[in-house]
Order: sequence, then C-alpha cells, then structure tokens
Amino acid sequence: DIVMTQSPDSLAVSLGERATINCKSSQSVLYSSNNQNYLAWYQQKSGQPPKLLISWASTRESGVPDRFSGSGSATDFTLTISSLQAEDVAVYYCQQYYTLPLTFGGGTKVEIK
Amino acid sequence: EVQLVESGGGLVKPGGSLRLSCVASGFSFTNAWMSWVRQAPGKGLEWVGRLKSKTAGGTTDYAAPVKGRFTISRDDSKNTLYLEMNALKTEDTAVYYCANTDPPRGYQLLNWGQGTLVTVSS
Repeated sequence: DIVMTQSPDSLAVSLGERATINCKSSQSVLYSSNNQNYLAWYQQKSGQPPKLLISWASTRESGVPDRFSGSGSATDFTLTISSLQAEDVAVYYCQQYYTLPLTFGGGTKVEIK
Repeated sequence: EVQLVESGGGLVKPGGSLRLSCVASGFSFTNAWMSWVRQAPGKGLEWVGRLKSKTAGGTTDYAAPVKGRFTISRDDSKNTLYLEMNALKTEDTAVYYCANTDPPRGYQLLNWGQGTLVTVSS
C-alpha cells in the first residue's frame, strides 16, 4: 500500500497569512505515460463530509477559491492557502488515487492564531 | 446539483450485520464508479471499497480490513449503492460516506454524501 504522510499535524495561522501543508507518499504517484500526479486534496470542516479541492496535484475544482493552490510531483506535495480566511478552518487531507487501495494522509488541522 | 444521501446506520452488536444505502442524483449514476469511505470518531479517512460501473465490468475492490466481510453492490434502476456489512467488529464503528468517481476525469472522489453512523458495541 502507498503510505501518505502529512505534516504538520496541525498549524495555527493568522488571518491573511499563508498556510502550508505538506504531503509525502511512500512511492511515486506520477504516472509516466501521461505525466500526471494522481494526488488529490480534500477539505473537511467540522461536522461535514470532505470536499474535493484539488485534483492532479494542482488543478483546482470548480468554485474553489484561487487562494488554494497545490504543487509538487512524484512523492512530495504541498497545499498552500495564500491568505487564510476564517472559513478555511478545517482539516485537510491528501489522497493518492494512483493505485488501490486508495489511501489518505492523516490530516492537518488548520486553525486561526 | 449532485446529491448523495446515505442511510441505514445504527447500533449493532459485534458479529452482527447491517446494510447501508446511498441514493444518488444529479449525475450519471450508471456510468459512475462508486466508493465507500469511513471515518472512525475523531480519526482520519479510510477507503473501504469501490464498485465499478457495469460498462467497466461491475467489479469490486475492497480494503484488506473489510475484505470477505463487506459487499458493495448497486441498483442502477434506483440510482442506489449498497454496503452489506457482516461479522461486524467494534473497530468498524465509523461514519460511512459514499462518494462518486468519474473515470474520464480520474479516480479522485468527486462528491461525498453526509454520511451515516455505524456503531458496533455490545
């Protein structure tokens, strides 16, 4: 199984400041035939189901604010919130869909400082 | 608007059985690959299993902890996904979500239901 490791477990950021979440996979999720990274990011607010934010490591889903961005390739990925807003308080998960079983990182809790 | 509505959760004793349902609307359920994902109280997300569309073969894949005990099925005429859970263990206690995948867009989990809570306890 591909193990997804997120860091940090939690972080507190001031409103308007940048939040950075890291995700590392135990093996590459870059599919060489199409040069795509099979990596997604989800946001889960308290009491709600997860919501898909980013696919293919860096493609924002429709309606996702552009303050959210994804980067990275192969085994190392980053989710950045460029200017944290109050509504961004949530737990964020990375997930690989390169192979089964689908696996998630342990989550990063983002709070307001 | 895509909607996924799970039901069927509840309290069950260890060794017991339960069947969850997920009714879908707002997208082509027939062509969707559907997954179940669970989340134990206060914990992270764990993929349970997936059922491909009939046109893709209709095959299933399961996570190791549930293989042989859980069965995923679908009724395309009712736009409904099922999760049959047998030989339940206390560690199966979780909120169970259904989610859809659209293979031409990849295998990420596009939309999620609100979830249904399964509690396994004596």
